[in-house]
Amino acid sequence: KAGVTQTPRYLIKTRGQQVTLSCSPISGHRSVSWYQQTPGQGLQFLFEYFSETQRNKGNFPGRFSGRQFSNSRSEMNVSTLELGDSALYLCASSSEGYTQYFGPGTRLTVL
Amino acid sequence: GQQVMQIPQYQHVQEGEDFTTYCNSSTTLSNIQWYKQRPGGHPVFLIQLVKSGEVKKQKRLTFQFGEAKKNSSLHITATQTTDVGTYFCAGPGPYALNFGKGTSLLVTP
Repeated sequence: KAGVTQTPRYLIKTRGQQVTLSCSPISGHRSVSWYQQTPGQGLQFLFEYFSETQRNKGNFPGRFSGRQFSNSRSEMNVSTLELGDSALYLCASSSEGYTQYFGPGTRLTVL
Repeated sequence: GQQVMQIPQYQHVQEGEDFTTYCNSSTTLSNIQWYKQRPGGHPVFLIQLVKSGEVKKQKRLTFQFGEAKKNSSLHITATQTTDVGTYFCAGPGPYALNFGKGTSLLVTP
């Protein structure tokens, strides 16, 4: 099976802009989770979608949002970007339980 | 809330030396998972431990789950340069997997 794919791989934005990241899970996986990874904070859970519904949400401001489509593909949106949003954004899919299969990530730089 | 702590944060070894990273949870875990992230890469699932006292081996890697199911360890015997990366443990929280901050392993030839 093909792995989790994420687009774009790299992104440069300026403060105040918004960004949309995309994730395609492993075929058959209905759960998609998003994580933010920074050197100082490690892997932080953003949210999880399952069958087009947000099932769980981490402790991030409302500027971070997401959605999932009927084919399980997911998008994550960050509005009004701040310098501190610079990070590697990882998407992970899961078929059951908690085992996460991560995509390559999107490296976001906010200038 | 539940927290997963990992030590050490960094470890630098000579090739051929052993390496161990430890993971401790503030609460009892139903299971614990281990992931490896190579430099510039993404986390890759290594293994899941479920039973109290469980020990699993993958070649030179030995994973243990504590009797109380609140701690775990990953031991690498005779490290190689291919072992370089960050090793994360993760335990299920109330709504998501809680990842430790990882142990970054550097192996010098």
